[in-house]
Amino acid sequence: DAGVIQSPRHEVTEMGQEVTLRCKPISGHDYLFWYRQTMMRGLELLIYFNNNVPIDDSGMPEDRFSAKMPNASFSTLKIQPSEPRDSAVYFCASGTLDPKRELFFGEGSRLTVL
Amino acid sequence: AQSVTQLDSHVSVSEGTPVLLRCNYSSSYSPSLFWYVQHPNKGLQLLLKYTSAATLVKGINGFEAEFKKSETSFHLTKPSAHMSDAAEYFCVVGDYKLSFGAGTTVTVRA
Repeated sequence: DAGVIQSPRHEVTEMGQEVTLRCKPISGHDYLFWYRQTMMRGLELLIYFNNNVPIDDSGMPEDRFSAKMPNASFSTLKIQPSEPRDSAVYFCASGTLDPKRELFFGEGSRLTVL
Repeated sequence: AQSVTQLDSHVSVSEGTPVLLRCNYSSSYSPSLFWYVQHPNKGLQLLLKYTSAATLVKGINGFEAEFKKSETSFHLTKPSAHMSDAAEYFCVVGDYKLSFGAGTTVTVRA
C-alpha cells in the first residue's frame, strides 16, 4: 500500500488566495483526520470524518476553513481566503480505530502564505 | 477531558547510551496511549501503543514504554540510542480524538 498520500507537498501563496489541500487515505480505513502543526501550537486536530461523515469540526479555526470527504478515497481541506497566520504543515491521517487503533499519517503539506 | 504533558522539550544522549522520554497523562477514563516519532520533514509514525493490555509495551526499533496508572505516566525508553533515533517524539492520549503532547526533540551525539 502506498500509504496516505497528500498533495501538494509544498504550497506558497499570497494572502487572500484560495488554498486546497488534498488527501487520499489508505484503502479500507474508515476514519480520516486533518491536523495542523505549527511551532507555537504543536499538533492540533482540525476535523475528523468517520465513513465520509464529518464527526467533529470543533478544531476548525474559523469559517475560512472547510473540509469535505466526497468518498472513501478522497478528502480536501480548503482555506478561503488564506492569511499569513495559516502558514503551517497540514497533516492528513487515516485509520481503523477498532481494533487497530493506529493512525497512519501522510507526509504533510507545508503551506506558506505571504 | 484528556491531555498529556511531556516533561522534557529536548533530550540529548550519546550513541549507545539509554534514552528516557517522560510523559504524564490526564484522562477521565482508562486511556489509550501512544508514542509517535517524527523525522524531519516527514509524517508521524507509530512507535507503540497501550490499550489496556500488558502494562509494558514493546514497540518498533527497540523502544518500549511502561504504563503506570498510579503515577499517570507512560515513559518511553530505549536501552541503547542509535544515530537514527534523532527525531521528535510525541506522547499521545485518546481514542477517537487524539491529544498530542508538545513533543520531545532527541539529539544523539556520536
